[in-house]
Amino acid sequence: NAGVTQTPKFRILKIGQSMTLQCTQDMNHNYMYWYRQDPGMGLKLIYYSVGAGITDKGEVPNGYNVSRSTTEDFPLRLELAAPSQTSVYFCASTATGFDGYTFGSGTRLTVV
Amino acid sequence: AQSVTQLGSHVSVSEGALVLLRCNYSSSVPPYLFWYVQYPNQGLQLLLKYTTGATLVKGINGFEAEFKKSETSFHLTKPSAHMSDAAEYFCAVITGGNKLTFGTGTQLKVEL
Repeated sequence: NAGVTQTPKFRILKIGQSMTLQCTQDMNHNYMYWYRQDPGMGLKLIYYSVGAGITDKGEVPNGYNVSRSTTEDFPLRLELAAPSQTSVYFCASTATGFDGYTFGSGTRLTVV
Repeated sequence: AQSVTQLGSHVSVSEGALVLLRCNYSSSVPPYLFWYVQYPNQGLQLLLKYTTGATLVKGINGFEAEFKKSETSFHLTKPSAHMSDAAEYFCAVITGGNKLTFGTGTQLKVEL
């Protein structure tokens, strides 16, 4: 049982480059989320999805895009990377929310 | 809007001493509250949750938390700290759309 799998674990981007952070879950969860974690700031919600084909913005969506074509996958796209996007990104999923989330191990992104 | 506030970004205790990490919530409706732990370079792991029912909630690794409506608090405790408890701890509350809103985190240091 893999849970939530994120790739890559580490990445260095140059300003203006683009990339996709991958997230896959094998628990058949409808709800999926992308958070970014910055020191002293806790986790901030970027985007979330309540099911395949349905996505919505969170607290800090600017500079990011998502898609949800299948239940399993929820990729996060960064267009025109900026230094402000240097962060650790976590993907999470849940069946009901009240059971708590299952988190991936994170992607550490540095934009230089 | 529902939110949580964690008091103290850093807490230091001696091994064997009581651990007390503070969390206060703001909510106009009965809240669903969670504590997560993050070990270095890892994702978040659910420690315990309060949804309904008993106000004293027991979690993994000997941690527990008590929901106190009169004090709008959900403090995390452990009677005797162990070196392996050193980590960052996050309080969180469920908001609309099964979204988790996190506190800013408390770094726990355990000293010999």
